[in-house]
Amino acid sequence: SQQGEEDPQALSIQEGENATMNCSYKTSINNLQWYRQNSGRGLVHLILIRSNEREKHSGRLRVTLDTSKKSSSLLITASRAADTASYFCATDARGNTPLVFGKGTRLSVIA
Amino acid sequence: EAQVTQNPRYLITVTGKKLTVTCSQNMNHEYMSWYRQDPGLGLRQIYYSMNVEATDKGDVPEGYKVSRKEKRNFPLILESPSPNQTSLYFCASSLSTTGGTEAFFGQGTRLTVV
Repeated sequence: SQQGEEDPQALSIQEGENATMNCSYKTSINNLQWYRQNSGRGLVHLILIRSNEREKHSGRLRVTLDTSKKSSSLLITASRAADTASYFCATDARGNTPLVFGKGTRLSVIA
Repeated sequence: EAQVTQNPRYLITVTGKKLTVTCSQNMNHEYMSWYRQDPGLGLRQIYYSMNVEATDKGDVPEGYKVSRKEKRNFPLILESPSPNQTSLYFCASSLSTTGGTEAFFGQGTRLTVV
């Protein structure tokens, strides 16, 4: 499957700093999405970027997509303790293909 | 409120005792799926459904069954649970079957098989 791989697996930063997480995938995609999961809870959609887009913003979130390198990054600016969570990228290919998730990055923001 | 509802939230059962985890969505979504989440392995898809009476295996379907008799419901059935099925399970739904739409997740079912 075209599972994405997030990097790093875990990240610990101070409140106010920026957090950058990366996602690499193996095959051509139609869309890439980022999700957030608070401990043991359901995933919540953050942002979707299409294969013909290079950058997208939503509040303190900035997502980039480089299809030539098959990679995406999620930047959270001015992080807060409440941003502590696991972040997952998910990809889908053209046609009726299921959404495939990576293993996630655990972000800890220390107040 | 738009939501995906799973029940139960927590379940402890014994090996071999059939169980069903229910999933229901109120958004008229076509696409529904089940995932299991295990430490270090991320989310792995068990089964998915493109529409009523249309189900397909995901990456880890062994030991599970599903059905999609109605659009809103997508139950996960473990006919003979085993300890290696101890996991955190999530149901998800999305509007489109062709991708490009966000998935809505249930709150999860933590299953322990002893």
